[in-house]
Amino acid sequence: QSALTQPASVSGSPGQSITISCTGTSSDVGGYNYVSWYQQHPGKAPKLMIYEVSNRPSGVPDRFSGSKSGNTASLTISGLQAEDEADYYCSSYTSSSTVVFGGGTKLTVL
Amino acid sequence: QLQLQESGSGLVKPSQTLSLTCAVSGGSISSGGYSWSWIRQPPGKGLEWIGYIYHSGSTYYNPSLKSRVTISVDRSKNQFSLKLSSVTAADTAVYYCARDDGGGLYDYWGQGTLVTVSS
Repeated sequence: QSALTQPASVSGSPGQSITISCTGTSSDVGGYNYVSWYQQHPGKAPKLMIYEVSNRPSGVPDRFSGSKSGNTASLTISGLQAEDEADYYCSSYTSSSTVVFGGGTKLTVL
Repeated sequence: QLQLQESGSGLVKPSQTLSLTCAVSGGSISSGGYSWSWIRQPPGKGLEWIGYIYHSGSTYYNPSLKSRVTISVDRSKNQFSLKLSSVTAADTAVYYCARDDGGGLYDYWGQGTLVTVSS
């Protein structure tokens, strides 16, 4: 299975909004509403930020939102804050009953 | 609060078998219909899904690792395990265990353990 495609890096200034894309196929992202997004700070385990395309776990700020169109899912962070600087990974369930991750995106808050 | 803790050898010789265990506390590994997964991250690289074991005992593995991977569960000890055979330097990574609440929804993670493959 091939990794989902994410941009290697994105950046934004405090207060701005950014969007990270995650492109797969009809056998994963496009075929299921099982797309999740994870935030990972250096040396830490990933943290679930969005599940089932657009749902936020308890405790995750509503600045974080998710969506999907066709084979591409997106994570939007509005009102960027310094603590949002981290690596972000998408994941999707697949038609083979497996899970595939994206390659990761490094978010820099300028 | 559910907690997961990885343990095992931090150094494995090439061609040998990597063995890790994930101890689950704060909840039963047999309850709730969850799946239990292993995910790894080579130094400086992204996350790679290794596989999971369903509450029923069924297993699913990453096709690229399938021939070398075994995930099992020991319900009496409330833990699950990973074995990866015939390791090479490419298997050097931080290995995470995690709970899957369905469809790749990883809501609880261990802190990760670094395994280095070197002679």
